[in-house]
Amino acid sequence: DVKVTQSSRYLVKRTGEKVFLECVQDMDHENMFWYRQDPGLGLRLIYFSYDVKMKEKGDIPEGYSVSREKKERFSLILESASTNQTSMYLCASRLNSGLEQYFGPGTRLTVL
Amino acid sequence: GNSVTQMEGPVTLSEEAFLTINCTYTATGYPSLFWYVQYPGEGLQLLLKATKADDKGSNKGFEATYRKETTSFHLEKGSVQVSDSAVYFCALLSGNTPLVFGKGTRLSVIA
Repeated sequence: DVKVTQSSRYLVKRTGEKVFLECVQDMDHENMFWYRQDPGLGLRLIYFSYDVKMKEKGDIPEGYSVSREKKERFSLILESASTNQTSMYLCASRLNSGLEQYFGPGTRLTVL
Repeated sequence: GNSVTQMEGPVTLSEEAFLTINCTYTATGYPSLFWYVQYPGEGLQLLLKATKADDKGSNKGFEATYRKETTSFHLEKGSVQVSDSAVYFCALLSGNTPLVFGKGTRLSVIA
C-alpha cells in the first residue's frame, strides 16, 4: 500500500518561529510537492522537487524554503512563521513517468 | 499557461440525485485529465483519469469523458450517496510538470 506520511496532523506555532514540516514517501518516487490549501483558493503549489537536492519554485514560494537530502523525504521550512501562513499544508509524490499523484493527510498549521 | 476552471460550490444535493460538476481546461499539447477527491480530514486521492481525447474515466459510479472539442472533463454520477460528500478537484498534467488543479467544488449530500 503506497504511503505518503506527514510529521504532524496539527501544529500550533508562534509568529517568528522557525517551522519544519516533514514529508516521507515509501514509493521511491522522484517527484515531490508541497501545496497549501485555503478556502476559496484551492491548492497552491509552494515548491517541488524532481530529485534529491533539486528544488523548483512553485506559484507561491515567498516565505518558504525546502530541503531534499534523501529521495524519500521532502521538508518544508517556514523561516519565520507569520499569521498569514496559517493553512493546511499537503505533501504529494509522483513517479517521473507516472500519472497518479499520491497525497499525504495534510498538516493543519496555525500561527498565533 | 495551463489552467483548469471548475464550477464553484458548494453544491448541495439530496441522496440519489444526479450530480454534474463542470470542468474546463486550457492547455498546450495533449494533457492527461484527472478528478481527485478529498474526504473530510484527509488528503486528496485519485478518483478517475483519462489520458486522451474521448477516453472515459470511471470509478465508484463516477464518470468523466475527455472532450477535446469543448476542452472539458465534466464529472457525473447518476445517484449520489451521503458518503460522496467531499471536495472534488479537477486537474491536468502535461509532461513531467506539476499537476494544475482547479479550485475545488464542495459537495454535500443530504439524506
